[in-house]
Amino acid sequence: GIQVEQSPPDLILQEGANSTLRCNFSDSVNNLQWFHQNPWGQLINLFYIPSGTKQNGRLSATTVATERYSLLYISSSQTTDSGVYFCAVEPRSGNTPLVFGKGTRLSVIA
Amino acid sequence: GAVVSQHPSRVICKSGTSVKIECRSLDFQATTMFWYRQFPKQSLMLMATSNEGSKATYEQGVEKDKFLINHASLTLSTLTVTSAHPEDSSFYICSARTRMGSGNTIYFGEGSWLTVV
Repeated sequence: GIQVEQSPPDLILQEGANSTLRCNFSDSVNNLQWFHQNPWGQLINLFYIPSGTKQNGRLSATTVATERYSLLYISSSQTTDSGVYFCAVEPRSGNTPLVFGKGTRLSVIA
Repeated sequence: GAVVSQHPSRVICKSGTSVKIECRSLDFQATTMFWYRQFPKQSLMLMATSNEGSKATYEQGVEKDKFLINHASLTLSTLTVTSAHPEDSSFYICSARTRMGSGNTIYFGEGSWLTVV
C-alpha cells in the first residue's frame, strides 16, 4: 500500500519562530489532508490540499503532487500550536480511507 | 463545516464487559464511515470501513468478533468492543467522508478514550 512519511518526527520551537513540516507519499493520491491533533485527542482538519497552495492565517500548505510531497508552514508559532501534526492521504484506488503518516510532534515553548 | 459527533468521549469499563461507541454525522449523510485506533504516541491505524446497510470491511489483524461495527443509517455507525480487556484500552476515533465545497473531505469525530480496568 501507499507509504506516508513525515519529517521531522519531533520539533521544539521557541514561541514566535517559523517552521516547515514535510510529508512525502509513495504514490499518486486523490486527496491529501493536514490535521492537528490537540492534547485531548481531537483531530482538527487544517487543509484539504491534493495540489497547489492554500493559506489560513499563520498556516499555509503546499502540495506538489507530481513530486509526491506536501509542506505545512507554521509562522509566528504560538504555544497553542503544540500537538501532533498528521499528514493523511487518500490513495487513487477509489472510496478508500485516509492513510496517515506517523506525525510530527510539535512543542512550542514560551 | 461538516460535523461528526462521537460519544462517549471517555469511558471506563471492567474487563469482560462490552462497550459501545457511537459516531454520528450531524449535518450530512455518510454512506461510508471509518474507524481508527490510536495507541499513545502513535499514529492512527485503520480498523475497519463501515458501509451503510452492509457488513463492515475489516483490516488485517482486526478481530471481527471482538470489534463489532454496525452502520444502521446514513448518519450513524457504532463500534462495540466486546469482552473488553486491558489491552483494548486505546483512543478510538471515527471519520466520515463528505463532498463539500471544492473537495472531497474527510472529517473526524472527537474520539473516545477507552480504559479497561
